[in-house]
Amino acid sequence: GAVVSQHPSWVICKSGTSVKIECRSLDFQATTMFWYRQFPKQSLMLMATSNEGSKATYEQGVEKDKFLINHASLTLSTLTVTSAHPEDSSFYICSARPLSSGSYNEQFFGPGTRLTVL
Amino acid sequence: GENVEQHPSTLSVQEGDSAVIKCTYSDSASNYFPWYKQELGKRPQLIIDIRSNVGEKKDQRIAVTLNKTAKHFSLHITETQPEDSAVYFCAAPWRGGSQGNLIFGKGTKLSVKP
Repeated sequence: GAVVSQHPSWVICKSGTSVKIECRSLDFQATTMFWYRQFPKQSLMLMATSNEGSKATYEQGVEKDKFLINHASLTLSTLTVTSAHPEDSSFYICSARPLSSGSYNEQFFGPGTRLTVL
Repeated sequence: GENVEQHPSTLSVQEGDSAVIKCTYSDSASNYFPWYKQELGKRPQLIIDIRSNVGEKKDQRIAVTLNKTAKHFSLHITETQPEDSAVYFCAAPWRGGSQGNLIFGKGTKLSVKP
């Protein structure tokens, strides 16, 4: 149980293009989904928190117009990196918090998306 | 808000030895402390977690202890094996966990030498 998928697993794009990443909870419903960025040999940095049917909450320093988040259902959230530049190259990981977690902040992670912007 | 400190940043042990990783947190209201294992290029995987109403939890070779008074929790791996080599992250709820956020430690790279 508690499986999270993410697609694509890797993407290479040209500078200035947009890239869409999907995150799905496969066997549970998620009240909240989270988007992280992880640079090599570093920890997970939270970018934004996404709740179904409402606007995402972005962390300080994360541009909401550049990283568009849509949370269409209790099992799907998408992150779109608009006008990507080489400095956006990173490992993007989503996670999902099950409805059943109650007051505990359980999170289960997707496999990540390796984005390379040329 | 919550602050999580994790030590050591690297740990090298011989196969069969025990490994201990420690984390401290700042928010006394925090009630949930997970540990994640991340292999290179892969997702963080939840390996064990503990809730604030217990002091210790064990799952085969892995255990987590929690000291609420001192605000620290530790991961214990016994009889280490080469496949335990990975980066381990601790985490704690962030901003009271109102949105289910977690804040992560900086990670510990564990190397188990055969």
